[in-house]
Amino acid sequence: EAGVVQSPRYKIIEKKQPVAFWCNPISGHNTLYWYRQNLGQGPELLIRYENEEAVDDSQLPKDRFSAERLKGVDSTLKIQPAELGDSAVYLCASSLVSSYNEQFFGPGTRLTVL
Amino acid sequence: KNEVEQSPQNLTAQEGEFITINCSYSVGISALHWLQQHPGGGIVSLFMLSSGKKKHGRLIATINIQEKHSSLHITASHPRDSAVYICAAQRQGGSEKLVFGKGTKLTVNP
Repeated sequence: EAGVVQSPRYKIIEKKQPVAFWCNPISGHNTLYWYRQNLGQGPELLIRYENEEAVDDSQLPKDRFSAERLKGVDSTLKIQPAELGDSAVYLCASSLVSSYNEQFFGPGTRLTVL
Repeated sequence: KNEVEQSPQNLTAQEGEFITINCSYSVGISALHWLQQHPGGGIVSLFMLSSGKKKHGRLIATINIQEKHSSLHITASHPRDSAVYICAAQRQGGSEKLVFGKGTKLTVNP
């Protein structure tokens, strides 16, 4: 069974440019998470979806970040415009039910903003 | 002060040594997770525990709820154990959000 798929794996952009990350969760997993991990830090939750509904986006910087999960499967996280401080690894994870107990992580997208 | 603190930040060991990584937390939890992150970013869940002790192969995780402390032990360490080990506290109630520690970078030399 395929794990959580993310693309691209790496992205380098200049500041003020837009960028988008894509995540395909494990088939059948209702809950999808986007995390940001800064260098030397643990992941921080940006947004959590239950099916297509964003149930926790309190940590998402809504002035420049947006996310969607159409049809409750794939998800896209967008930053527009990107800032230097957005350089980080963006991790997607999924779990079978609305629980943090069994999260499966993707490989992440490493974003560098120049 | 972070809600989840790990120690040490970095750990270097020789192959075969017994490894201990510590995690202290200040929030009420329903469970404590140990995760492994290899270079390249992929994270793998190792343990989820709410009391006592769990063992999987050479890995052992323990938790003391009263002291709000957990430890991850690796017996007979091997260079392939080199990774970042992350402790995450699953908050009690509400959204039961995971609060992550900063991780412990383990290097096991042959």
